Amino acid sequence: SQTIHQWPATLVQPVGSPLSLECTVEGTSNPNLYWYRQAAGRGLQLLFYSVGIGQISSEVPQNLSASRPQDRQFILSSKKLLLSDSGFYLCAWSTGERDTIYFGEGSWLTVV
Amino acid sequence: GQQLNQSPQSMFIQEGEDVSMNCTSSSIFNTWLWYKQDPGEGPVLLIALYKAGELTSNGRLTAQFGITRKDSFLNISASIPSDVGIYFCAGLSGGGADGLTFGKGTHLIIQP
Repeated sequence: SQTIHQWPATLVQPVGSPLSLECTVEGTSNPNLYWYRQAAGRGLQLLFYSVGIGQISSEVPQNLSASRPQDRQFILSSKKLLLSDSGFYLCAWSTGERDTIYFGEGSWLTVV
Repeated sequence: GQQLNQSPQSMFIQEGEDVSMNCTSSSIFNTWLWYKQDPGEGPVLLIALYKAGELTSNGRLTAQFGITRKDSFLNISASIPSDVGIYFCAGLSGGGADGLTFGKGTHLIIQP
């Protein structure tokens, strides 16, 4: 069966520091991968999605970036965090056949 | 872009009551998905609907894909305390990994 795991689960970072959130999927090949952000417990905002290695599409202009160095690995990064980057970040995956999206456990980011 | 209107925004009910929530859109969708999110966790897929008119159950949960393909509802029968959480609908219009649109969620609160 397929599993998705993201880490770290919780992160407190100072303004201006870098960020790296990692996500891996097991049990499937060539998945579509996604990063979402959720503020205040509701409202899922799509940040990035990827249909293959090295292929990244950005939905929202911001100081965040994403990379897909391997088929089942998706990384969310920032060189310098802003206070407004605080939130709950969710990695997700889907297969092309039905595009049903499955989410990871989420990562809480607090920028102080 | 496409928008989903999910209602109600919040529900305060007594344990044992039935629950009904729905999502509507001005656009046609090919897939409807319903998720539940517990505090601090990622959304978990409850029911996926792939065909207009489809009625699908998952335990005490029942969801339907509207005939017009512009709406879907989720019913929960005989609510229990663990049903507390935020329920999201999502519609997929097809055509790409970024085609999923989420509702803003229904926050279900159960009073003992």
